[in-house]
Amino acid sequence: DAGVTQSPTHLIKTRGQQVTLRCSPKSGHDTVSWYQQALGQGPQFIFQYYEEEERQRGNFPDRFSGHQFPNYSSELNVNALLLGDSALYLCASSFWEGTDGYTFGSGTRLTVV
Amino acid sequence: KQEVTQIPAALSVPEGENLVLNCSFTDSAIYNLQWFRQDPGKGLTSLLLIQSSQREQTSGRLNASLDKSSGRSTLYIAASQPGDSATYLCAVNSGYSTLTFGKGTMLLVSP
Repeated sequence: DAGVTQSPTHLIKTRGQQVTLRCSPKSGHDTVSWYQQALGQGPQFIFQYYEEEERQRGNFPDRFSGHQFPNYSSELNVNALLLGDSALYLCASSFWEGTDGYTFGSGTRLTVV
Repeated sequence: KQEVTQIPAALSVPEGENLVLNCSFTDSAIYNLQWFRQDPGKGLTSLLLIQSSQREQTSGRLNASLDKSSGRSTLYIAASQPGDSATYLCAVNSGYSTLTFGKGTMLLVSP
């Protein structure tokens, strides 16, 4: 049973560019959440998608946007990259609101130079 | 707004010791609490999930307890091994589709 799959694993972008990160949820899960983790910090919630709609959003600017596809996979897009966007981006999947817990992927390390 | 605090921030112990990691949260209205392990630069691996109606959960050498009324959870690791070295994160699910994380406890177990 495949867990959560994220791609790519590492990415280097230039300030001002745009980036797309991808996530495939664990089999049986219908909800995808995205988190940003800066070095030495706990993950911070970006947003959650359910039934192809953004259900909840954290305190992130609208440069951060997402999408969920009919097969429950998801994309995170970040426009106009800033140096401060450099972080580990984690995708988590769950059934509904995570009453049975969340499963996380291995993350995408984004470096903005 | 839910806030989660983990103490200590870092811990170094010799192999074989039993240890306790602490997690406290400010709002006791939670669905569940989840403990994760994170190796450097890697994703999160779920260790234990405790529902709000439960007092503890066990998996092998790990035991997690939950006292919802006092806003506390502990993760007990028995007979620690060098392979247990990692950062341990506590995450609270208060509904609203989000997990709130602490900053983690960085554990180093020396041979």
